Amino acid sequence: DTGVSQNPRHKITKRGQNVTFRCDPISEHNRLYWYRQTLGQGPEFLTYFQNEAQLEKSRLLSDRFSAERPKGSFSTLEIQRTEQGDSAMYLCASSPTGAGRTGELFFGEGSRLTVL
Amino acid sequence: AQKITQTQPGMFVQEKEAVTLDCTYDTSDQSYGLFWYKQPSSGEMIFLIYQGSYDEQNATEGRYSLNFQKARKSANLVISASQLGDSAMYFCAMREYPGANSKLTFGKGITLSVRP
Repeated sequence: DTGVSQNPRHKITKRGQNVTFRCDPISEHNRLYWYRQTLGQGPEFLTYFQNEAQLEKSRLLSDRFSAERPKGSFSTLEIQRTEQGDSAMYLCASSPTGAGRTGELFFGEGSRLTVL
Repeated sequence: AQKITQTQPGMFVQEKEAVTLDCTYDTSDQSYGLFWYKQPSSGEMIFLIYQGSYDEQNATEGRYSLNFQKARKSANLVISASQLGDSAMYFCAMREYPGANSKLTFGKGITLSVRP
């Protein structure tokens, strides 16, 4: 049983460049979430998908951010024209629809972005 | 207003002793769920324990128990018999519609250090 997989684990880029992160959820999980976590803070919600449909987007997700889940399996998070303030850990999580009574999210190990 | 408040500074506990990590929350909903996650230095968020707002008994999972005081809107995590491997960040989180698989809102976290 494989968990949530995120790639790349680390990305260093120059300001103004575009970056893309990939998340492969647990295979039977319908819902997929993206969070952002800055140093010393808790994860902040960005967006989530049920299958291929993007059901909710946070106001934190500016026009430079776009997330897709084209076939309802893996997802990508793209950041265009990166800024130093985008430096953070980007966490992906998944959960099955109607998950038991707890509905906890299963997280990947995150993709750390450093914008120089 | 913050939905999840974790105000303790870094916590220290002696190995084999118990420790309580505080969490207060704010919601006007009657139905909600509360979660605790552990984040070791590796970065992965690990689910520990869940408490539903209608659960009559406090949740327990091994060495973890949740001291749920609904009227005070607090959901403190108690770790018994602390181990060195418990050193990590701990996050309290809330979902305001249990079972609907909506997003979790996290607090800022508490750093726990276990001393040998």
